Amino acid sequence: EPEVTQTPSHQVTQMGQEVILRCVPISNHLYFYWYRQILGQKVEFLVSFYNNEISEKSEIFDDQFSVERPDGSNFTLKIRSTKLEDSAMYFCASSETLTGPDSNQPQHFGDGTRLSIL
Amino acid sequence: AQSVAQPEDQVNVAEGNPLTVKCTYSVSGNPYLFWYVQYPNRGLQFLLKYITGDNLVKGSYGFEAEFNKSQTSFHLKKPSALVSDSALYFCAVSLAAGNKLTFGGGTRVLVKP
Repeated sequence: EPEVTQTPSHQVTQMGQEVILRCVPISNHLYFYWYRQILGQKVEFLVSFYNNEISEKSEIFDDQFSVERPDGSNFTLKIRSTKLEDSAMYFCASSETLTGPDSNQPQHFGDGTRLSIL
Repeated sequence: AQSVAQPEDQVNVAEGNPLTVKCTYSVSGNPYLFWYVQYPNRGLQFLLKYITGDNLVKGSYGFEAEFNKSQTSFHLKKPSALVSDSALYFCAVSLAAGNKLTFGGGTRVLVKP
């Protein structure tokens, strides 16, 4: 079964440094998402991306964050100047688009990148 | 605004007994409801969804969930739990195709042999 893959599995970065988290969504999927899960807390939506632009973003997704689909397969999340509170597990997800009553297909998640800010 | 509540942080059940994980939601509009399971150091795995139609939906690994519009609930059930069902379970809601998922806080299920 096709999977969403994320690299690296663990990223350790000094505070203030830039970090790029990478994702390869499922190949025929057109909606892409980033979520994060701070240890012991709920999964929070960051941003959704469709048709080469951001379709929705949360308050967490401020100017320090950006997303890009640099080629036909990768989807990246960049944090420009990391803060201690950015330490979390970051999940990428993707979903198909279908029309009709069954159009809300489930989002498929990768195994995540654990980001540790020192 | 949309929100999801999972009132139990943890559910303990003996293997072979029925398992129920509770979820209530709040949305302005028709909800699209999902259950996901998370095993240690893994991402969220889709279990089942409710979009429209029959209120009882069946999903992976013998799980099912019942949509109750009047009680705004979408409880996850399994008639006979296995030790391997021990994991973290998340209920989620969205409003439309391609929209964000809003998750509940998660319920840890522990199935004892």
